[in-house]
Amino acid sequence: QVQLVESGGGVVQPGRSLRLSCAASGSTFSTSAMHWVRQAPGKGLEWVAAIWYDGSHESYADSLKGRFTISRDNSNNMVYLQMNSLRAEDTAVYYCARFSSFVSALDYWGQGILVTVSS
Amino acid sequence: EIVLTQSPGTLSLSPGERATLSCRASQSINSMYLAWYQQRPGQAPRLLIYVTSSRATGIPDRFSGSGSGTDFTLTISRLEPEDSAVYYCQHYGSSPLTFGGGTKVEI
Repeated sequence: QVQLVESGGGVVQPGRSLRLSCAASGSTFSTSAMHWVRQAPGKGLEWVAAIWYDGSHESYADSLKGRFTISRDNSNNMVYLQMNSLRAEDTAVYYCARFSSFVSALDYWGQGILVTVSS
Repeated sequence: EIVLTQSPGTLSLSPGERATLSCRASQSINSMYLAWYQQRPGQAPRLLIYVTSSRATGIPDRFSGSGSGTDFTLTISRLEPEDSAVYYCQHYGSSPLTFGGGTKVEI
């Protein structure tokens, strides 16, 4: 069983930075790609970023490139999302999720963490 | 980028009825990379269906997926009250991963 727990959210002023963390349990972390997905209040799901199992490759939603950076620490079963130059439209619940290559889908999700960008 | 369009936006049905949810891709996609998720109010999304038609662990058999090319369907054969949720289709053949806009099922 895999558990994902996000932390680091909160209220932040526009233009500031925030780093989200996702702690993963389970022995398969270092062999799984990890993703971040966000959901603005009352809206649908929006994919944010992904990182390969070994950290060798990252990909980002075009609208976020240059502001957000995904990273991971396999020795501590952690994945991170560094968010810079935050805007009001970045206000959302952020989920980390594991991508399973066996099912080609996001098979485990965290409970989500709220980020509010407001002055 | 593959754009997924879901319809209808909202489906209002009664317990025991059948729900048919549509997901249309902007171009033909490999059915290996089409999944469906359920999101109940206040909860994280949950994987329902992967590879177009395979049920994820613990998903009851009243949920089924089908389709190919550009047209995919999630069917809930006999609705139960706990099926009230928003359902999203998702594609990830290569970056970027994309979600449809969702269909809300009201029971």
